[in-house]
Formats: sequence, C-alpha cells, structure tokens
Amino acid sequence: KAGVTQTPRYLIKTRGQQVTLSCSPISGHRSVSWYQQTPGQGLQFLFEYFSETQRNKGNFPGRFSGRQFSNSRSEMNVSTLELGDSALYLCASSFPTGGFYNEQFFGPGTRLTVL
Amino acid sequence: GQQLNQSPQSMFIQEGEDVSMNCTSSSIFNTWLWYKQDPGEGPVLLIALYKAGELTSNGRLTAQFGTTRKDSFLNISASIPSDVGIYFCAGIPGGSQGNLIFGKGTKLSVKP
Repeated sequence: KAGVTQTPRYLIKTRGQQVTLSCSPISGHRSVSWYQQTPGQGLQFLFEYFSETQRNKGNFPGRFSGRQFSNSRSEMNVSTLELGDSALYLCASSFPTGGFYNEQFFGPGTRLTVL
Repeated sequence: GQQLNQSPQSMFIQEGEDVSMNCTSSSIFNTWLWYKQDPGEGPVLLIALYKAGELTSNGRLTAQFGTTRKDSFLNISASIPSDVGIYFCAGIPGGSQGNLIFGKGTKLSVKP
C-alpha cells in the first residue's frame, strides 16, 4: 500500500506570496492532519480534515487554511507569507476507529523556505 | 496549552548499549505514540499504546503507557548505528478529538 505523499517536496517563496501544498493520504484513510515543524517550536498541529470538513484546528493565524476533497486528498494554503513560516510542513493520514483517529502516518513533508 | 516534556533532549551512546527515554505530562492522555524521524523525512510510527499500563514491543523497541496515563517510556535494547535519529513521543489528550501533541524529541547518536 502506498504511503502518504506530499507535493512539492521543496518550495522557495518570497514574503507576501501565497503557497499551496498538497497531500494524498494512504488509500482508505479519511482523516488528514497537517503539522508545522520548526527547530524552535517543534511539531505543532495546524488542522485536521475528515470527510471534507475541518474537524479540529490548532492555534495558527487565519493565513493558514486548508481543505479536503471527496477523494480525501487535502491541500493547505498559506497566504501573505512571512519569514517565520519557513518550516517543514507535514501531512499525516489515519483511519478512524470508534469515532477517533489514533495511529497517524506521516508523509515526507514539504520544506518551505520564505525569503 | 497542553505540553509533553520529553527527556533526555539528546543522548550519545556506544553501539550495543540500551537506551531509555520518557515523556511526561501534567494532564491525562488517551493514546501515546512513539515516532522516529530521520533528517529530511517525516516521522515514522514505531509503537502505539492505548491502555494504561500497556507494554508493547516492536523488535528491539519496547514502550509502555504509564499507569497514571500521564507518562510513557521508550526503551531501545542493544542499539545499532541505524537507530540514530530523533525520537518523538506524541499523545492524544483525554477528551480530544485526536490532534497529536508532540514532545520536543530526543536526538540519539550511536557511536560504532
């Protein structure tokens, strides 16, 4: 079974631009979560989508948004990029059991650099 | 917000030695997960724990869900060079819909 895929793997943008990252979950997984990883803050939860609905959201500004499509693929968008948005953005998928999702499987991430 | 305190921050050990690391929280967690991350890659799930007191092994790795539900431990026996990497604990807080809270990681270096 193919793992979680993320595209692109690397991205360089300048301040003020916007960016869209894509994530394809493991086949059959309906929940997709996004995380930001930086050396200073570690791994921080952005949001989670299930059946095209945002079910959970972390403490990030509104510049960070996402969506999920009917095939469970997900995209996240960051508008008006700031230098501090430089990070590894990770997507994780899971197959909920009992109404909650437990084991999350991560993709390789997209390395975003904002200049 | 909820935090996980993971220790130690880093370890430098000799090949063949056993390794222990742990994660603690001030609040209860329903699920504990342990991940390993190699440079430039996403975290890879090693072990998942769902019940207080649960002890689970995956090869040379053994993890335990603390009986208070506020901590978890990971042990690696007979370390080898490919064990090098950053190990993260992650938990799903009680009452949460499931977003993972991560520890800051333990960086493991193994000297051949």
